[in-house]
Amino acid sequence: DTAVSQTPKYLVTQMGNDKSIKCEQNLGHDTMYWYKQDSKKFLKIMFSYNNKELIINETVPNRFSPKSPDKAHLNLHINSLELGDSAVYFCASSQEPGGNQPQHFGDGTRLSIL
Amino acid sequence: GDSVTQMEGPVTLSEEAFLTINCTYTATGYPSLFWYVQYPGEGLQLLLKATKADDKGSNKGFEATYRKETTSFHLEKGSVQVSDSAVYFCALSDKLIFGTGTRLQVFP
Repeated sequence: DTAVSQTPKYLVTQMGNDKSIKCEQNLGHDTMYWYKQDSKKFLKIMFSYNNKELIINETVPNRFSPKSPDKAHLNLHINSLELGDSAVYFCASSQEPGGNQPQHFGDGTRLSIL
Repeated sequence: GDSVTQMEGPVTLSEEAFLTINCTYTATGYPSLFWYVQYPGEGLQLLLKATKADDKGSNKGFEATYRKETTSFHLEKGSVQVSDSAVYFCALSDKLIFGTGTRLQVFP
C-alpha cells in the first residue's frame, strides 16, 4: 500500500549512459514532482506536473526529460549521464499544486555515476 | 526572492533534552510553512504544518508556531528520544523551497 513508489532504489551506471527512473502514486493526487538532493542534503525542485501538464521546469539541463503518461505516473529520463548527476532523486505528489497541501515523498533513487 | 534559512547542524543532544531547531523565512504574501523529517534511507515525511500567522502545528511531541512578526517557524520538542535522530527540513510550500536541513543526533 505504498503511497509514492519509485524504482529503482539504487542505480549505478557509467558516464554517458541513458537511464530512467519511474514513479507512481496511488493517492489520487493531481500534482507530482521531481527533486534532486545532493550529498549535503540540499533539496531542489526540478519539475512539477499537474494533471499530466508541466507546470514547473526549473533550470535543469535538457538532458533531463520528465514524462507523465497519466496523472498517477511521472517518470524521469536522463540522457548522457555526467558525474555531477550523482545524487538522490525524489519523486513526490500533492493533492494540488503549491498552496496549503503537503507533499508525499517516495523513498528516493540513489544514482551513482562511475 | 523567497528563501528559508535553517540553523546548521548537526545538533547533538542527550535523550530527554530539549530541542530547538531555528527556521526563518523570507516570502511575499502569506505562505504555508512546513516541517518535514527524513530518516536514513527514506524520503521526507510531513511532520507538521501551519497555514497562517499564530497557527501552531504539532505532531509526535514536536511543535512550531508561525510567527509573522519575526518571520520564524522554529521547531521544538520538550524531550527528545534516540528515535528522533534524523534530518529536519523547514519548507515554504507555496514556492517549493526547502531549507538546507538540520541533522539531529540523539544519544542515550
